[in-house]
Amino acid sequence: GAVVSQHPSWVICKSGTSVKIECRSLDFQATTMFWYRQFPKQSLMLMATSNEGSKATYEQGVEKDKFLINHASLTLSTLTVTSAHPEDSSFYICSASPQSPDTQYFGPGTRLTVL
Amino acid sequence: GQSLEQPSEVTAVEGAIVQINCTYQTSGFYGLSWYQQHDGGAPTFLSYNALDGLEETGRFSSFLSRSDSYGYLLLQELQMKDSASYFCAVPTGTASKLTFGTGTRLQVTL
Repeated sequence: GAVVSQHPSWVICKSGTSVKIECRSLDFQATTMFWYRQFPKQSLMLMATSNEGSKATYEQGVEKDKFLINHASLTLSTLTVTSAHPEDSSFYICSASPQSPDTQYFGPGTRLTVL
Repeated sequence: GQSLEQPSEVTAVEGAIVQINCTYQTSGFYGLSWYQQHDGGAPTFLSYNALDGLEETGRFSSFLSRSDSYGYLLLQELQMKDSASYFCAVPTGTASKLTFGTGTRLQVTL
């Protein structure tokens, strides 16, 4: 089956630093990947759509200068949280679809804690 | 915009049957998906309904009524490992990005 990995699985950083999260499709190519954020006991909220070779599309209310997305290859998308603050602490999850957009495969998620 | 409403919590005993409902309001509709998420884990795909009716996959079934903007996930022969959060979701737009429902936390007890 389709496998999506994320790295790191968890990260703790100081306020003001930047954190990069990688999302890889291991056994398929993905021209489109999605980044979600999930706060404790809440639903997943789509942050942005990552497009290989072009700019990401951000959802309303998501700061594109704070959450930098790069989709440099068909198997890798990165999310960089710049100048992180405690309110950015959350579970960040990426997803991709190998073929039908009806079924998305999710990475294991990255838990970010900003002190 | 899109909105999908689910009950926040459901509790059921092992071996029982439970139904998790999802009502939605969308500007366009392509189908309804269901995902399971254990605490600290990633969502995993359970089912997808593009047409009205019941889809059965083992102990799990999913139902859709497009005229009622309503669907449900039916879990039979509940097991302790079924304790998790369940989300309905709809793909939207040409990129088929997913909008998730509010989520239902299922607790299976002995």
